[in-house]
Amino acid sequence: GQQVMQIPQYQHVQEGEDFTTYCNSSTTLSNIQWYKQRPGGHPVFLIQLVKSGEVKKQKRLTFQFGEAKKNSSLHITATQTTDVGTYFCAGYPYNDYKLSFGAGTTVTVRA
Amino acid sequence: DAGVIQSPRHEVTEMGQEVTLRCKPISGHNSLFWYRQTMMRGLELLIYFNNNVPIDDSGMPEDRFSAKMPNASFSTLKIQPSEPRDSAVYFCASRDEAEFHGELFFGEGSRLTVL
Repeated sequence: GQQVMQIPQYQHVQEGEDFTTYCNSSTTLSNIQWYKQRPGGHPVFLIQLVKSGEVKKQKRLTFQFGEAKKNSSLHITATQTTDVGTYFCAGYPYNDYKLSFGAGTTVTVRA
Repeated sequence: DAGVIQSPRHEVTEMGQEVTLRCKPISGHNSLFWYRQTMMRGLELLIYFNNNVPIDDSGMPEDRFSAKMPNASFSTLKIQPSEPRDSAVYFCASRDEAEFHGELFFGEGSRLTVL
């Protein structure tokens, strides 16, 4: 079946540094979504990418959808303590209701 | 809107007991999902309802698990009998089917501990 792989599993970042988390799908996706889960919390929708090669920004977060619509990345610049949490990518294959989640990247920040 | 509402938030029970988790989706959302989250297996889709009808329950681990959606505003996930390996956070999520491949709105989860 369709799988979404996400790396790295853990990211330890010095406050102020940048980092990137990557997401790869075994199949072409209709769209890809990113969610953030704070420690002890629930996944919260961040953004959705639909078009091939699409790039979207939310303040210090930059999201990219690959040309082949099989991969995506999230880049965070100048990491802050508020960025702590687990970031999940999730993709919809075409003609499928199932949103497949990656395993998530858990981010910790050193002040 | 109050969002997706789940209860209880925390449940501690002993092995063999019945556990019932409850979910109220966002009003107007006609798709509902139950997920289970553990450190080992991440977010697993257990069952998907559309217009109150179970569409896919292939993720339900075994016969001890059952889910119902008697109406558009209420769903339950039942585990009987419960086992320690069922300990996890169970999330309910809803989606508006008018948004093709739209976002999921998650509840705050029910943290289950089976002793």
